[in-house]
Amino acid sequence: QVQLQESGPGLVEPSETLSLTCTVSGDSISGYYWSWIRQPPGKGLEWIGYIQYSGNTNYNPSLKSRVIISLDTSKNQFSLNVISVTAADTAVYYCARVKWWSSSYHGMDVWGQGTTVTVSS
Amino acid sequence: SYELTQPPSVSVSPGQTATITCSGDKLGDKYVCWYQHKPGQSPILVIYQAVKRPSGIPERFSGSTSGNTATLTISETQAMDEADYYCHVWGSNTAHIVFGGGTRLTVL
Repeated sequence: QVQLQESGPGLVEPSETLSLTCTVSGDSISGYYWSWIRQPPGKGLEWIGYIQYSGNTNYNPSLKSRVIISLDTSKNQFSLNVISVTAADTAVYYCARVKWWSSSYHGMDVWGQGTTVTVSS
Repeated sequence: SYELTQPPSVSVSPGQTATITCSGDKLGDKYVCWYQHKPGQSPILVIYQAVKRPSGIPERFSGSTSGNTATLTISETQAMDEADYYCHVWGSNTAHIVFGGGTRLTVL
């Protein structure tokens, strides 16, 4: 059974870089897309971006200038970096598997438990 | 940018049917998913491709789509169904993922 686990600092200072890693266990990282999603306090889910196994990425236009998602196939991990953070980046951050099957989109079918990141000095 | 609109809240009595809508331009032509999200937990996929249920999701959950509206229907609603529900699409032109604003389902 595939499982995802987010890891990274829970506190980041303003203007610094937020860095999170998602470790995939129980299955290979190949053959899927992998995504990051966040939920600010009191707000809804916000898609951040995703990375394909090939390394191609796609980002939410509202965050594109500050976000990088990368893949480490040797460790079965993918990562998120958000630069120049502000208090508005405070959120619960989730990683998720994006499932395409037989050329059809099957949604984000496996999620990590989420990790809370607070931006504050 | 593409937008999805959901009602902020829906209330239902136990045992009754809950209906949550999601509207967006030409939504019926897109891959629509629904997620259940309870406080302190991870979101769970309950519907994909507008009408299909992943394994393990009760038959009480069903989806439909018509024109610019997708609908999540929960039959025989139980207290455990109380949660936030989000619709979500894969943007066919941009390959972006978009979430609706979410609907809080209250089981009174």
